[in-house]
Amino acid sequence: QVQLQESGPGLVKPSETLSLTCTVSGGSIKNYYWNWIRQPPGKGLEWIAYIFHTGNTNYNPSLKSRVTISLDTSKNQSSLRLTSVTAADTAVYYCAAALGYGSNWFDPWGQGTLVTVSS
Amino acid sequence: DIVMTQSPDSLAVSLGERATINCKSSQSVLYRSDKKNYLAWYQQKAGQPPKLLIYWASTRESGVPDRFSGSGSGTDFTLTISSLQTEDVAVYYCQQYYSTSWTFGQGTKVEIK
Repeated sequence: QVQLQESGPGLVKPSETLSLTCTVSGGSIKNYYWNWIRQPPGKGLEWIAYIFHTGNTNYNPSLKSRVTISLDTSKNQSSLRLTSVTAADTAVYYCAAALGYGSNWFDPWGQGTLVTVSS
Repeated sequence: DIVMTQSPDSLAVSLGERATINCKSSQSVLYRSDKKNYLAWYQQKAGQPPKLLIYWASTRESGVPDRFSGSGSGTDFTLTISSLQTEDVAVYYCQQYYSTSWTFGQGTKVEIK
């Protein structure tokens, strides 16, 4: 059973860079597409990006200019970087797996980590 | 982007009664070559991550109670809870994975009347 755990700073200053890591356990990182999804407090879900172990990536066009997703297969970790953050980037950030090859629903999900953008 | 619109935003249903949630996509998510609808449904309880309920619009994920069912095709989809239980209080989201930029509906909050 694949399990995901997000980690990273809970507080980031405006204009700085948000960096998060998702650690994967219980399965091979090569078997899934690794996604980041966020949810502002009290609001809905927004898909951010995915990466596959081949290096194939895809980004939400609305965030593409500020987002970088990466994968460290030796550590079984996916990472997210979001630059030039504002208060609008305050959200719970989730990592989630997708099987890919058209089967792009999200399962499982990590528990999520709240990132607050504030000075 | 494909815009997903759910209705209603919230609903209150008596225990044991049926709950129906609608999801409409701005363009068809039916892929003609495999005749599959690229749509999933999730349940999110307070303080928890979303949980996958249904994929391919109507295939129930393993372990999901059979009171949950999905239907629809093309641009119009429905999630039905046939007999609402206390543990079904949650926000429900649809998600399309047809396009290369995956999008969710805004969510529908289900409560007990």
